[in-house]
Amino acid sequence: NAGVMQNPRHLVRRRGQEARLRCSPMKGHSHVYWYRQLPEEGLKFMVYLQKENIIDESGMPKERFSAEFPKEGPSILRIQQVVRGDSAAYFCASSDTISGANVLTFGAGSRLTVL
Amino acid sequence: DAKTTQPPSMDCAEGRAANLPCNHSTISGNEYVYWYRQIHSQGPQYIIHGLKNNETNEMASLIITEDRKSSTLILPHATLRDTAVYYCIVRVARGNTPLVFGKGTRLSVIA
Repeated sequence: NAGVMQNPRHLVRRRGQEARLRCSPMKGHSHVYWYRQLPEEGLKFMVYLQKENIIDESGMPKERFSAEFPKEGPSILRIQQVVRGDSAAYFCASSDTISGANVLTFGAGSRLTVL
Repeated sequence: DAKTTQPPSMDCAEGRAANLPCNHSTISGNEYVYWYRQIHSQGPQYIIHGLKNNETNEMASLIITEDRKSSTLILPHATLRDTAVYYCIVRVARGNTPLVFGKGTRLSVIA
């Protein structure tokens, strides 16, 4: 059972381009969370999704950022018109609704560098 | 979710027990204590969680005081690979709510 898979692991974009980060949750997990970690800073919650629904996007920047978790396929975090301040590690986590322990399993992260 | 307070950093000699404290004086009756860690540049890793009883698994032990206002994570025989930032988080177990990370404790295991 593979863990949470994120790709790409490293992504380089020039200012103004779009970045798409993908996250495949653990098998059987229907809840996905995205976090951002700026260099030398802590983990900041961005958005929480279930299949086809955004449950909590209180941590998402108001502009340029969007997330989806379609019925089929991975969750996507999309950043439009990237700026240098978007350079960060983006971590995805997933959880299930069965165990009741509410444990999040994290992926290895996607590191975005904006030139 | 209740707020937690952790020391910013700690050192531990390799092979000795590492005891990481956490204060959560405003914890509610339905909130659990969760511990995660983040080894440099990696994704956070779940360690253990508990409500009021002490818990032990293959990674660590969690000791929660009787009044539940504080807890201690114990790594019984710390190794260099345990060097990481350790996060104590308080939240309800039900509802799949997001984790809110604080600054954590940076544990350095020294040879």
